[in-house]
Amino acid sequence: QKEVEQDPGPLSVPEGAIVSLNCTYSNSAFQYFMWYRQYSRKGPELLMYTYSSGNKEDGRFTAQVDKSSKYISLFIRDSQPSDSATYLCATHTGNQFYFGTGTSLTVIP
Amino acid sequence: EPEVTQTPSHQVTQMGQEVILRCVPISNHLYFYWYRQILGQKVEFLVSFYNNEISEKSEIFDDQFSVERPDGSNFTLKIRSTKLEDSAMYFCASRQGGYGYTFGSGTRLTVV
Repeated sequence: QKEVEQDPGPLSVPEGAIVSLNCTYSNSAFQYFMWYRQYSRKGPELLMYTYSSGNKEDGRFTAQVDKSSKYISLFIRDSQPSDSATYLCATHTGNQFYFGTGTSLTVIP
Repeated sequence: EPEVTQTPSHQVTQMGQEVILRCVPISNHLYFYWYRQILGQKVEFLVSFYNNEISEKSEIFDDQFSVERPDGSNFTLKIRSTKLEDSAMYFCASRQGGYGYTFGSGTRLTVV
């Protein structure tokens, strides 16, 4: 079983839409969860990290963790064309991080 | 803003040749990593390095791979005898502590 599962998309939305990106994970021992954004031919860039269950908000981005269902989400409000990228969820145990496959998002002007 | 720098950005090599991928992590970071991403696939962990030794490695990181921190600034990944399936983007990352990596822009390795 993969540590982190993520729908690869692609996802295409109009500018201004609310975007919902989701992942599931397998190990209930995971406590730290991250979302990375990756532009084409670039390294992943940390967007947000959260600990345990609950919500964390940063500007237009909200990360949500539901440990009871092993489900993590990233919401993007008022999406912009510059948000077009691949979004990767990640978690870690010890010194090793596990990434989802990434969801490709295109925001259409 | 501090960056992780990787060189070269693109490397083409013949099968069976040795390659060295270079990284300069952020100067006050303590943990160093190599990841790879085969085209269209997920980012995969290769190895972590702390206190001048490997702390964890994945099944991918076999005897063909080695890492080194030859001085206070560089962190290298060597592949001794490249195979076609080693073609991928290789990302170096570092962190000071905490839970967020800083990734470099990657080296695209093409084995022909």
